[in-house]
Amino acid sequence: EAQVTQNPRYLITVTGKKLTVTCSQNMNHEYMSWYRQDPGLGLRQIYYSMNVEVTDKGDVPEGYKVSRKEKRNFPLILESPSPNQTSLYFCASSGATSGTYEQYFGPGTRLTVT
Amino acid sequence: QQQVKQSPQSLIVQKGGIPIINCAYENTAFDYFPWYQQFPGKGPALLIAIRPDVSEKKEGRFTISFNKSAKQFSLHIMDSQPGDSATYFCAAAISGSARQLTFGSGTQLTVLP
Repeated sequence: EAQVTQNPRYLITVTGKKLTVTCSQNMNHEYMSWYRQDPGLGLRQIYYSMNVEVTDKGDVPEGYKVSRKEKRNFPLILESPSPNQTSLYFCASSGATSGTYEQYFGPGTRLTVT
Repeated sequence: QQQVKQSPQSLIVQKGGIPIINCAYENTAFDYFPWYQQFPGKGPALLIAIRPDVSEKKEGRFTISFNKSAKQFSLHIMDSQPGDSATYFCAAAISGSARQLTFGSGTQLTVLP
């Protein structure tokens, strides 16, 4: 089954404790992206990657890091989480050959930073 | 700066009604306008998309209307059903970088039985 998986689905942590949210896709997609979803703000892009070893900042990159060492994986790293990073996070992927530019989203990771 | 403004924030209709969700954009370079549907506990999924060379696109009960001069587009759901209850996001992008989607703030739709 074609899918984007994220782990963990739920995470409660404390301020300053480094964490990683993993994202993996099995569709051989070149493009991957991270979004955060907050009430009233919609989906805002954090970082994206056009291919392996190619990453760039989205609209709200502060406090986040990413890496793309393998085509299928695109982890999101919070080096020192703060309460304002409490949010619902989505990973998405898209194929370069897709004429619809459709992005496939993972199920989401709900992060709470206390 | 919000480049895509979406309204209303929430919408309640009776079964069979025709909810309409509106979006307005500022960047005239946008030329790809998708709508995503999100059910509780799930990630968004592409519902329907339009390019500005047409003024309307229908897929089943879902219709996008596009007004290039007004820089507005809207989603209409014909004969709405309780199963359509979800959050709907409009988005916009520039072809060539069409994976760089700018999303609206979302509309939570409730269809009452």
